[in-house]
Amino acid sequence: AQKITQTQPGMFVQEKEAVTLDCTYDTSDPSYGLFWYKQPSSGEMIFLIYQGSYDQQNATEGRYSLNFQKARKSANLVISASQLGDSAMYFCAMNFNTNAGKSTFGDGTTLTVKP
Amino acid sequence: GAVVSQHPSRVICKSGTSVKIECRSLDFQATTMFWYRQFPKQSLMLMATSNEGSKATYEQGVEKDKFLINHASLTLSTLTVTSAHPEDSSFYICSASSRTSGRVTDTQYFGPGTRLTVL
Repeated sequence: AQKITQTQPGMFVQEKEAVTLDCTYDTSDPSYGLFWYKQPSSGEMIFLIYQGSYDQQNATEGRYSLNFQKARKSANLVISASQLGDSAMYFCAMNFNTNAGKSTFGDGTTLTVKP
Repeated sequence: GAVVSQHPSRVICKSGTSVKIECRSLDFQATTMFWYRQFPKQSLMLMATSNEGSKATYEQGVEKDKFLINHASLTLSTLTVTSAHPEDSSFYICSASSRTSGRVTDTQYFGPGTRLTVL
């Protein structure tokens, strides 16, 4: 069975510093996609970044980058130059072509950016 | 980017009444939509997968007669909570799936959610 693990329930970071949110996964399927979403207190889920299992390079989107280590089955999210608006809950998720497009979500990490 | 709307954003109802929540993909056609339930400070719990023109597929433990899902078109899915009770109070989120060019799997784009409170 596929499983996503986020081991950090809560994280704190100083404004303007970088922070890494951990995500490990377990699957035997060779074809999958990894996603990170941000959920602020308003509740909406905001798509941040995507990494495909066959992608050779780590994904980047502005201040977000994904540290993809396939052999270790980890897909950590790195946020550079943290801003107060980055305070939110962050979810790592995984999709499989063989799973009718359903996503498996981690338990989430609450990030608090301190001024 | 792909936009998904959800209506209403907040609803308060009396116990025993039914509530309908709409989920629309505004700028793309979604053959598949998903409905989730989320409790405070917890992860998303998938309730059902909704495919256009066919019956929804419910996850184990989700009562299909309680949570009616209809996916009448490629841009609209509805979730009806029938005979709502206080324990149905929760945050309900829909998502619509879109295959993005170059990606191995589909990306899910989420609606803003509906906060249901049953008195």
